[in-house]
Amino acid sequence: DAGVTQSPTHLIKTRGQQVTLRCSPKSGHDTVSWYQQALGQGPQFIFQYYEEEERQRGNFPDRFSGHQFPNYSSELNVNALLLGDSALYLCASSLAGARLDSPLHFGNGTRLTVT
Amino acid sequence: AQSVTQLDSHVSVSEGTPVLLRCNYSSSYSPSLFWYVQHPNKGLQLLLKYTSAATLVKGINGFEAEFKKSETSFHLTKPSAHMSDAAEYFCVVSDRPGGYNKLIFGAGTRLAVHP
Repeated sequence: DAGVTQSPTHLIKTRGQQVTLRCSPKSGHDTVSWYQQALGQGPQFIFQYYEEEERQRGNFPDRFSGHQFPNYSSELNVNALLLGDSALYLCASSLAGARLDSPLHFGNGTRLTVT
Repeated sequence: AQSVTQLDSHVSVSEGTPVLLRCNYSSSYSPSLFWYVQHPNKGLQLLLKYTSAATLVKGINGFEAEFKKSETSFHLTKPSAHMSDAAEYFCVVSDRPGGYNKLIFGAGTRLAVHP
């Protein structure tokens, strides 16, 4: 049973460029959440997708956008990259109908470096 | 608003000695609390969760945590540290506006285990 998979594992971009990160949820899960983890900090919630729509959003600018596909996989897009966007981006999946205290399943993340 | 505060950014112990990682929480309702562990270049793994059942929660790898409402604390303990326990540990509270599962992470505690 595959867990949450993210691609690519590492990425280097230049300021001003755009980037797309990808996530496949754990089998059977229908909800995908994205988190940004800056170096030395805890992850911060970016947004959550369910039924192909953004259901909830954290305190991130509109440069951060996402998409969920019919097969529940998801993409995170970041436009006009800034040096401060350098971070580990984590994808987490869950089942919408599960208990609210059900744990999220995390992928290993994509390490984005902006130069 | 929900939040967690991890009281120590770094904890260093000797192998075979007890581990104590401290966490205080703030929540306007009965919280769901978690401890996650992150090994280098890996994603987040759930250690244990509190869901308003027993106040003493047992997790994987010999870790346990006690929910103390009067102290708003959820400290993580382990009787005897192992070298493989060296990692970053995050105390997490579930924020549930509208019933959606969004995690709020503490800043993390880096645990070092010395021979």
